Amino acid sequence: DTGVSQDPRHKITKRGQNVTFRCDPISEHNRLYWYRQTLGQGPEFLTYFQNEAQLEKSRLLSDRFSAERPKGSFSTLEIQRTEQGDSAMYLCASSFAGPGADTQYFGPGTRLTVL
Amino acid sequence: LAKTTQPISMDSYEGQEVNITCSHNNIATNDYITWYQQFPSQGPRFIIQGYKTKVTNEVASLFIPADRKSSTLSLPRVSLSDTAVYYCLVGDGPLYNQGGKLIFGQGTELSVKP
Repeated sequence: DTGVSQDPRHKITKRGQNVTFRCDPISEHNRLYWYRQTLGQGPEFLTYFQNEAQLEKSRLLSDRFSAERPKGSFSTLEIQRTEQGDSAMYLCASSFAGPGADTQYFGPGTRLTVL
Repeated sequence: LAKTTQPISMDSYEGQEVNITCSHNNIATNDYITWYQQFPSQGPRFIIQGYKTKVTNEVASLFIPADRKSSTLSLPRVSLSDTAVYYCLVGDGPLYNQGGKLIFGQGTELSVKP
C-alpha cells in the first residue's frame, strides 16, 4: 500500500510528558499537512510543508508544538509538556503541488490521549 | 477561503440514491470543490473533486451548476457501509504555489438504514 502512513496509531501519555508522531507521505508528494481533530468536529489545519520548508502555521500551533520535515520526505510533530486539551486525533495529509487541484490524501491518524 | 454550508445530518435506506448539497456562495475563481468521507477513528478519505459541470468516478458523482455557488454529491444505491460523515470543501486549485490548506466544517452525518 502506498498511501499516507502514521505512527503510532494510538498514544496514551500523562500530562506534562512529551510525545512525537511520525508521518510518511505518499512518495512523490511534495506537500505535507498536519491537522487536528477533536470529537464531533471537522479536522483543523495546524501546519504544512512544501518539501522541507514549513510555509504556514496555524495559531492553533502553540509554542509547545513543533513540526519538522528534515529531508522533504517524512515529517514529525512533537508536543512538549502535553496538556489534557491536546487529546485529539492528529491527522497527516500529503499532496503533489502542480498544475490543477491540490488534492490531499489523509493518513489513518494518531489518536492521542493525555491523562 | 470560501466557507461551505451543508446539512448536519441525513437519513437514507439501503439501495437509495443520496444527494448531499453544499452551499459555497463565496467560492473563488481558482477554487476546486472536494468531497471527503470519514468513518469514526479514521482519516478522511477523498471521494471526488471537480471545478465545474459534472464529474463522475466509480464511487460518486459531483454536480456543479454554472454559477458554482453550490454543489451536489450523489451517491448511487447506498449501502450500510456508506454510513459516515461527508465533508464538502473548497480550496485553491491552479495557484498551486499558494498551498491548499483545507478548512473543514462539521460535515453531513449520513445514516443508512436497512
